Amino acid sequence: EIVLTQSPGTLSLSPGERATLSCRASQSVTSYLAWYQQKPGQAPRLVIYDASNRATGIPARFSGSGSGTDFTLTISSLEPEDFAVYYCQHRSNWPLTFGGGTKVEIK
Amino acid sequence: EVQLVESGGGLVKPGGSLRLSCAASGFTFSSYSMTWVRQTPGKGLEWVSSISSSSRYIYYADSVKGRFTISRDNAKNSLYLQMNSLRAEDTAVYYCARTPTYGDFIPWYFDLWGRGTLVTVSS
Repeated sequence: EIVLTQSPGTLSLSPGERATLSCRASQSVTSYLAWYQQKPGQAPRLVIYDASNRATGIPARFSGSGSGTDFTLTISSLEPEDFAVYYCQHRSNWPLTFGGGTKVEIK
Repeated sequence: EVQLVESGGGLVKPGGSLRLSCAASGFTFSSYSMTWVRQTPGKGLEWVSSISSSSRYIYYADSVKGRFTISRDNAKNSLYLQMNSLRAEDTAVYYCARTPTYGDFIPWYFDLWGRGTLVTVSS
């Protein structure tokens, strides 16, 4: 099973700041990594798929990068609606797994 | 409106059974593979089971294999999860989620999720 480790656990930032979230895989997942955003009481929402492709309706301030075992989700300038928990997920093989999440909170 | 709506959750005793349903609307259900993902209250996400658009491919997490059965009825635009021999650790919000499918190519990420249904296993 591929273990996805997200860091940091919590990111405290102010609106307008840049957010950099990390997801590290225990073995290579090539580019088969997705990122989701989840707000309290809501279902997850797909943000990035296959490492760097923005999902439909996702603003350009969100970008994803990386390959192999190290991936990054960057939010270039945080908007109030971006404060949430972000999860990564691989689709390289079975079982599919998710990372433990990074909470982006308002400083 | 494009949406997924789960139902069937509730309180069940350990060892009991429950059947979850997921009703799809606003899109061509038979063109999408489907997955159940669960989330323990206050915790992270755990993949449970997936089924391809034609039901040809079915996958289960080890934690539920032999106890849970995923199925779908494309004529009814519905996905199901039959859960037997339930344990306390199965307590979670269960989400259904869809994956766009291109023939035999299924990029298993999830572009639409339901709001979830809560399953509580307790005596």
